[in-house]
Amino acid sequence: DSGVTQTPKHLITATGQRVTLRCSPRSGDLSVYWYQQSLDQGLQFLIQYYNGEERAKGNILERFSAQQFPDLHSELNLSSLELGDSALYFCASSAGTGWGNEQFFGPGTRLTVL
Amino acid sequence: GQNIDQPTEMTATEGAIVQINCTYQTSGFNGLFWYQQHAGEAPTFLSYNVLDGLEEKGRFSSFLSRSKGYSYLLLKELQMKDSASYLCAVKSNAGNMLTFGGGTRLMVKP
Repeated sequence: DSGVTQTPKHLITATGQRVTLRCSPRSGDLSVYWYQQSLDQGLQFLIQYYNGEERAKGNILERFSAQQFPDLHSELNLSSLELGDSALYFCASSAGTGWGNEQFFGPGTRLTVL
Repeated sequence: GQNIDQPTEMTATEGAIVQINCTYQTSGFNGLFWYQQHAGEAPTFLSYNVLDGLEEKGRFSSFLSRSKGYSYLLLKELQMKDSASYLCAVKSNAGNMLTFGGGTRLMVKP
């Protein structure tokens, strides 16, 4: 158990819908990262927040957005869902942003878009 | 940008040693990580290298050569439970994001 929690564990929805994935980092960690893992793309970095502020952006679609709240939990919002958005979405956290800061991954949310 | 290459699949025998290679090209290097991931589960941290050389952690060792853009993960005394994907990831010095390779699926046979 990494100490990072994600809800829900599974999510099944239809194309065109909107969903929210939630992540609580390890106690004391200020950085939260979101990753998408699909069968044909591997693990792709989406976005990073540090202490409430966006720090880095990866291959995140405009239909996707995220935020980190004052209590440091984070939410990833996916809208106008398409079949290709079906994937495992992982959240990770780390203590800071310096080198050597290991990222701890949550158990993931498996999203299925029908 | 960053480009990371590792073999797609490898097979090894229980009790043996296996080396998983990773080559990378990056515009800003701030460390290389190895993660283990069992199917459908979260990646778990194995090792981290930022300086050249070998880091040993029990049955697992990782090596880095920054000048060659090369790393390997060495697994000794293989066990059946080591069957998993092994992900090589490079950290950029612009932020703390990790760029992952496609992963190497290791199958350990009796």
